Amino acid sequence: DIVMTQSPDSLAVSLGERATINCTSSQNILYDSNNKNYLAWYQQKPGQPPKLLIYWASTRESGVPARFSGSGSGTDFTLTISSLQAEDVAVYYCQQYYSIPITFGQGTPLEIK
Amino acid sequence: EVQLVESGGGLVKPGRSLTLSCIASGFSFGDYALNWFRQAPGKGLEWVGFIRSEAYGATTEHAASVEGRFTISRDDSKSIAYLQMNSLKTEDTAVYYCTIGEHWFDPWGQGTLVSVSS
Repeated sequence: DIVMTQSPDSLAVSLGERATINCTSSQNILYDSNNKNYLAWYQQKPGQPPKLLIYWASTRESGVPARFSGSGSGTDFTLTISSLQAEDVAVYYCQQYYSIPITFGQGTPLEIK
Repeated sequence: EVQLVESGGGLVKPGRSLTLSCIASGFSFGDYALNWFRQAPGKGLEWVGFIRSEAYGATTEHAASVEGRFTISRDDSKSIAYLQMNSLKTEDTAVYYCTIGEHWFDPWGQGTLVSVSS
């Protein structure tokens, strides 16, 4: 199984500042034949289901604010929120879809400092 | 509007069975793979399994933690998917979500809580 590890375990950022969450996979999730990274990012607010933010490591889902961006390749990935808003308080998860079983990082709670 | 609604959760004793349903609307249900995920209280997300579309034989894959105990099925004529859970264990206690997709998953239902306790 591919193990996904997020860092930090929790994060507190001031409003308007940049938030960065990292995700490392235990093996390469870049598929050579199409040069795509099989990684997605989700946001989950309390009492709600997860919401898709990013797929193919850097493609923003329709309707997701431009302040959210994804980057990275191979085994190391980053979710960046360029200017933190109050509504961004949530737990963020990375997820690989390179192979079954589909696996998630442990989650990174993000709060306002 | 694409919508998924789970139902069937509740309190059940260890060793018993329970079947969850996922009712879909707003899209061509039969064209999509249907996935089940779960989230134990205060914990992260865990993939349970999925069923491919009929075009791909409606074959299933399950997580090792539920293999042989849980079965996913679908009725495309009713736009419903099922999660049959047998031999339930206390560690199966979680909110169970259904969602569509084969790689990334969106949208998700609101979830249904399954509590396994004596």
